[in-house]
Amino acid sequence: GESVGLHLPTLSVQEGDNSIINCAYSNSASDYFIWYKQESGKGPQFIIDIRSNMDKRQGQRVTVLLNKTVKHLSLQIAATQPGDSAVYFCADLAGGTSYGKLTFGQGTILTVHP
Amino acid sequence: EPEVTQTPSHQVTQMGQEVILRCVPISNHLYFYWYRQILGQKVEFLVSFYNNEISEKSEIFDDQFSVERPDGSNFTLKIRSTKLEDSAMYFCATRRGFLANTGELFFGEGSRLTVL
Repeated sequence: GESVGLHLPTLSVQEGDNSIINCAYSNSASDYFIWYKQESGKGPQFIIDIRSNMDKRQGQRVTVLLNKTVKHLSLQIAATQPGDSAVYFCADLAGGTSYGKLTFGQGTILTVHP
Repeated sequence: EPEVTQTPSHQVTQMGQEVILRCVPISNHLYFYWYRQILGQKVEFLVSFYNNEISEKSEIFDDQFSVERPDGSNFTLKIRSTKLEDSAMYFCATRRGFLANTGELFFGEGSRLTVL
């Protein structure tokens, strides 16, 4: 069945370091992926997305890499700041962009130490 | 920046009681969703709603759940007879129209439901 999951449940980094958060998916038909950030007590917040016809996409301080061969997705955060501390979820959007049924992974807790 | 607003932020109820959670979507968005997150677990899809009808629902969304848009602005989730396992954070989310070519969902801050 379709599943989206993460390799590591927690990640601790020092301020200024680069962070890499990984995600594996099992559905070969998955064609659209999104990274969300969830701060304590808040709803998930969109970070960046990528379609399966791309292998890399960059945003502000964030880069998402997609390796379809091994069904692996990663989120890189450059110069991590304490405000980046949150839970990060990858999600697969079923049906392309049609209905918004996101399948979330378990999440990685990122802690940034000053 | 426009945002999705949810009320109440926290509701405590007795098992078997009815609960209604409310959401005010972003005004020009056409797709509405409810997700839930049991404490410490991942966010799970419940239901999607478009053009005043349910587009898709998960196995969690059984006959005890219903959604509606009663007045063209609010989007509500009703649980008819709450169970202990319904205790969770419930998130409303909305999305721009289909032609926006993005799957970006805008989430509210959630309504925490505690069933005793």
